[in-house]
Amino acid sequence: KNQVEQSPQSLIILEGKNCTLQCNYTVSPFSNLRWYKQDTGRGPVSLTIMTFSENTKSNGRYTATLDADTKQSSLHITASQLSDSASYICVVSDGSQAGTALIFGKGTTLSVSS
Amino acid sequence: NAGVTQTPKFQVLKTGQSMTLQCAQDMNHNSMYWYRQDPGMGLRLIYYSASEGTTDKGEVPNGYNVSRLNKREFSLRLESAAPSQTSVYFCASSEYSPLHFGNGTRLTVT
Repeated sequence: KNQVEQSPQSLIILEGKNCTLQCNYTVSPFSNLRWYKQDTGRGPVSLTIMTFSENTKSNGRYTATLDADTKQSSLHITASQLSDSASYICVVSDGSQAGTALIFGKGTTLSVSS
Repeated sequence: NAGVTQTPKFQVLKTGQSMTLQCAQDMNHNSMYWYRQDPGMGLRLIYYSASEGTTDKGEVPNGYNVSRLNKREFSLRLESAAPSQTSVYFCASSEYSPLHFGNGTRLTVT
């Protein structure tokens, strides 16, 4: 069964610190992996998208890595800010054209405190 | 540029009542989706529409119906609401990738 597992479930860090969120998947075939940020009370917003051939992609202070061999991805947040407090969702696509192609993780809730 | 707009933002229903959740996008996307999000669970696909005039079931379609009114609008209908349908509902659209989400409708069924 295609699955996406995220860890940790929740995380609390001090403002200015770095953190890394993990995503493991068993989706096959694999097309791409996306990280979304979801602020409280809002819809998810795309941060990065990576295909099989991409190992690293950055978006400002957010850096995503992908190891397609071990089927693992991480999202590293540098110099965290209060506005980084949100849920981060890992989504893997099996590449089919069907709307069911996207498999969502349950998310990691990040709280940044001052 | 509004993106994906959902109405209403909040709704409380009694068991057995019906309602329609509205969704409209202004990005000229072909594909539109309805998801539900429950605590401790990932987003789950209810229905999707790959293009105007087509709709298909997702992972959790029971108790719901959809209408792709035109390219812009995709509505979700609950014919007889049940407490198990208490959730946050998100509409999304895409043209290849990524998904663009609305800000959700928070539905409570008592």
